Amino acid sequence: GESVGLHLPTLSVQEGDNSIINCAYSNSASDYFIWYKQESGKGPQFIIDIRSNMDKRQGQRVTVLLNKTVKHLSLQIAATQPGDSAVYFCAENKGNTPLVFGKGTRLSVIA
Amino acid sequence: GAGVSQSPSNKVTEKGKDVELRCDPISGHTALYWYRQSLGQGLEFLIYFQGNSAPDKSGLPSDRFSAERTGGSVSTLTIQRTQQEDSAVYLCASSQPGQGGYGYTFGSGTRLTVV
Repeated sequence: GESVGLHLPTLSVQEGDNSIINCAYSNSASDYFIWYKQESGKGPQFIIDIRSNMDKRQGQRVTVLLNKTVKHLSLQIAATQPGDSAVYFCAENKGNTPLVFGKGTRLSVIA
Repeated sequence: GAGVSQSPSNKVTEKGKDVELRCDPISGHTALYWYRQSLGQGLEFLIYFQGNSAPDKSGLPSDRFSAERTGGSVSTLTIQRTQQEDSAVYLCASSQPGQGGYGYTFGSGTRLTVV
């Protein structure tokens, strides 16, 4: 039978194109939202975060958008490169409580 | 050290045996977290240590799982009488006081396989 949850959502993009990875979060009281990148065989690495009182934040080649009305978070990667291939997780945080992670999206960059 | 160190990196054990997984956090980081990542899944919270406070054990899936943190530094996650469903990557993270999730530094994990 089908094994629910064993397959991550996958996004395939052409090298040089922009990528948009989406995430729905659950706790409207969360203070921070964070995006992590996890490469094969490694732990997650921090990419960018955004406070709950913001709706957009930009980093180097990455932008995070927060829509609190629909509890939606997105990560945009400009000019996607092969080194961007990884699994991307969103996470939410309130105070000093442990991070709560989403399921993750696998980004594959086609050269 | 420069990062969070976990050992062993891989562990294969027989069903029913006990295993111990070790985490060396970044020096000075008082918060330490254990997460479990099953194949194709997100990270599942297990346990959280903050300084000398009682640990938050709310994520431990059963009483076969336990963890301790000695001297506010090294932590050991113990799984007794391992089952096949315990097979996963066990990740440890540490952070500095007052930092939220943006301050987490993760180790590379221990991949546990129960056969």
